[in-house]
Amino acid sequence: QSVLTQPPSVSAAPGQKVTISCSGSSSNIGNNYVSWYQQLPGTAPKLLIYDNDKRPSGIPDRFSGSKSGTSATLGITGLQTGDEADYYCGTWDGSLSAFGGGTKLTVL
Amino acid sequence: QVHLQESGPGLVRPSETLSLTCAVSGGSTRDRNYHWGWIRQPPGKGLEWIGSIYYSGTTYYNPSVRSRVSISSDTSKNQFSLKLTSVTAADAAVYYCARHILRSGGHTWLDPWGQGTLVTVPS
Repeated sequence: QSVLTQPPSVSAAPGQKVTISCSGSSSNIGNNYVSWYQQLPGTAPKLLIYDNDKRPSGIPDRFSGSKSGTSATLGITGLQTGDEADYYCGTWDGSLSAFGGGTKLTVL
Repeated sequence: QVHLQESGPGLVRPSETLSLTCAVSGGSTRDRNYHWGWIRQPPGKGLEWIGSIYYSGTTYYNPSVRSRVSISSDTSKNQFSLKLTSVTAADAAVYYCARHILRSGGHTWLDPWGQGTLVTVPS
């Protein structure tokens, strides 16, 4: 059971926009920064967003992050078939690094 | 550009100790700006952080495995290692190592990640 709650799956058509939510509490998201990871099939996770809304070098601006209170959101615009992947949120929770359960994105 | 590579046995028998090593290139495990961590992912499931180590040797462990886990660092070889004792089928997973940014004020993220290594625990 993950301390961060994500929807198991989301879907949208190519070119559209999708958002993925990550819900937590005051012990994690409420008082810490959130990161997001993309895991393409059969590969290792890759950092997409850190410090709630910052993109590492090389990550396109189609990916965005935000945080409000004890929840965070990953946004992806201009969906491409290559965006089909599992997406995980992460943050610090007291004394451990926590992840959400993951959300599978399907680009229809 | 930092690169991490996991290595170790792909099969560990129940009750034995899982031992993995992560070799770091393009960066240093003595860099005071970073921790170095282990994360695992059971087949078809989500990510679980196992623990991380700082250059000073300070370690942070997930309470779920704290009694069985040990992470150490060999700065002379620029690598760090994971030991997990008394393994069971529940420990079967892909194990990843990653550079862990962990700073005061709640700033934390993992980047980059190694490619991962699958550890099987036969029944």
